Amino acid sequence: DVKVTQSSRYLVKRTGEKVFLECVQDMDHENMFWYRQDPGLGLRLIYFSYDVKMKEKGDIPEGYSVSREKKERFSLILESASTNQTSMYLCASSLLGLAVNEQFFGPGTRLTVL
Amino acid sequence: SQQGEEDPQALSIQEGENATMNCSYKTSINNLQWYRQNSGRGLVHLILIRSNEREKHSGRLRVTLDTSKKSSSLLITASRAADTASYFCATDLSGTYKYIFGTGTRLKVLA
Repeated sequence: DVKVTQSSRYLVKRTGEKVFLECVQDMDHENMFWYRQDPGLGLRLIYFSYDVKMKEKGDIPEGYSVSREKKERFSLILESASTNQTSMYLCASSLLGLAVNEQFFGPGTRLTVL
Repeated sequence: SQQGEEDPQALSIQEGENATMNCSYKTSINNLQWYRQNSGRGLVHLILIRSNEREKHSGRLRVTLDTSKKSSSLLITASRAADTASYFCATDLSGTYKYIFGTGTRLKVLA
């Protein structure tokens, strides 16, 4: 059974903390994505990666960075968490190629920044 | 602004009825996908329709695509309480790795 896992379902952090969200997929997918989901705004792409050590900014990369040292793992980093980064974070992966394949999503991490 | 916009934002129906939700988008696409999200969970892929297809079926799901109107519809027939979820359309941004998601339709099926 194919799987995308995220390190935490719920996370509470304080303003200014450095936050790491981890995502692991076992499908040998080349593409990996980080989204945030907010009510009324749908899913917005933060960053994506189409290969190890390769990354591209999405629509809302400000305040975030990413790391992809291994094919199966894609990390999202909040360098200095702020309250406006309170959100649901979703990781996804897909086969290599342009956006023509289905994406597989993790269960999400609900992050609260106090 | 969002590439995909679902309509209606929310829908409440009785079990056994059909549910129809619509998606409109702005630019040309290669494919359009529909996803389901149960409350507080990740998204699950339902169906993909390519730009050269007009209709596609999968079980109780029927998807249509009208590229001239830049719109798609998802029909769920004989709905069940378990179909209660949010439904999102996603389009590719042609020539990129990006998927653009709409804001979703919240479907509630009453038993």
